Amino acid sequence: EIVMTQSPATLSVSPGERATLSCRASQSISSNLAWYQQKPGQAPRLLISGASTRATGIPARFSGSGSGTEFSLTISSLQSEDSAVYYCHQYNSWPPYTFGQGTKLEIK
Amino acid sequence: EVQLVQSGAEMKKPGDSLKISCKGSGYDFTNYWIGWVRQMPGKGLEWMGIIYPGDSDTRYNTSFQGQVTISADKSIAAAYVQWSNLKASDTAMYFCARRAPSLAFFEYWGQGTLVTVSS
Repeated sequence: EIVMTQSPATLSVSPGERATLSCRASQSISSNLAWYQQKPGQAPRLLISGASTRATGIPARFSGSGSGTEFSLTISSLQSEDSAVYYCHQYNSWPPYTFGQGTKLEIK
Repeated sequence: EVQLVQSGAEMKKPGDSLKISCKGSGYDFTNYWIGWVRQMPGKGLEWMGIIYPGDSDTRYNTSFQGQVTISADKSIAAAYVQWSNLKASDTAMYFCARRAPSLAFFEYWGQGTLVTVSS
């Protein structure tokens, strides 16, 4: 099973600033990585697939990068509505397709 | 518009059986894999398993194999997860999600079903 490790566990950033979230895979997953955003009481929402392709309707301030074992999600010009937990998800090797443990993003 | 609508919250006792559902609409339900994801209280997402409604091909996370049964009824565009002997540790939110056509990320999610198991 591929283990996905996200860092940091919690990130606190001021509005208008940039946040960078990291995700590391225990073995290479090529670019088979997605990012999801989950707000309290809601289902997860797809942000990024293929490590860097924004899903339909996702603002351009969300960007993803990386391949192999190291990935990042960058949110530029943070807004209050970006406060959420963000999960990475590898879909290279199954079963299972594994999730990271999440990064909680707080807006100061 | 693609929609996945899940059945309502359930409160059960240890040892009870339960079947929760996920109904798809707005697309050809038969031709897209549907997955199930568990989220225990205050915790992260766990990939449980996935089913292809067209032929009921099902794959499980070994952690959930034998603990739950995933099924689908393509005639009514519904997928299910069921338990025969609930435990308190099954208390969680359960999400269904539709896999993308050619890659295995989840494009669309149901709203979740909260299952509470308590004596």
